[in-house]
Amino acid sequence: QVTLEESGPVLVKPTETLTLTCTVSGFSLNNPRMGVGWIRQPPGKALEWLAHIFSNDQKSYSTSLKSRLTISRDTSKSQVVLTMTNVDPVDTATYFCARIQRLAFDYWGQGTLVTVSS
Amino acid sequence: DIQMTQSPSSLSASVGDRVTITCRASQDIINFLNWYQQKPGIAPKLLIYATSTLQSGVPSRFSGSGSGTDFTLTISSLQPEDFATYYCQQSYTALTFGGGTKVEI
Repeated sequence: QVTLEESGPVLVKPTETLTLTCTVSGFSLNNPRMGVGWIRQPPGKALEWLAHIFSNDQKSYSTSLKSRLTISRDTSKSQVVLTMTNVDPVDTATYFCARIQRLAFDYWGQGTLVTVSS
Repeated sequence: DIQMTQSPSSLSASVGDRVTITCRASQDIINFLNWYQQKPGIAPKLLIYATSTLQSGVPSRFSGSGSGTDFTLTISSLQPEDFATYYCQQSYTALTFGGGTKVEI
């Protein structure tokens, strides 16, 4: 059974760094046909892809957020970590991680709501 | 970045209706186009990948078509559980989403 679970802070102050962890089970981060991505959704708004990483450590970032994002993986812990620097209230959103197979997000975590506020 | 534009942004329909949602890419993405369904408070669900391949377990009333820059999601006979927001996503370069189409009663 494939599962993904996001974890991280519920509340972050402006200018701080946000670190989110996606813990996966039911598949391996070393599987050459799979990857893991991060997507966010501000309240009442559309989905926004942020970044993804594949088993060969290939990474890709949203152009608009590239300077603030870092994605990495720890295969021993079955975790993918996303860091976002210098957060702002506009970064308030539900953050999802999802598995990538056949270049589509086929399994999703339940999401974690992160609020940026002083 | 490739921009994805969905239309309409919302629509009203009735049970049994045939519903069509359009997605246009800002450049040729061949057939690298996926569709998702999202209900309030729940993570999106993959419906269709590679333009027209139904994800396992998705009802056959959902279908996808298109190529190049223009794509379509069709629901042949709308069911009560289909009222949701639908998103297209290109996977030709990166994985950007469209703005969504809300299907309302």
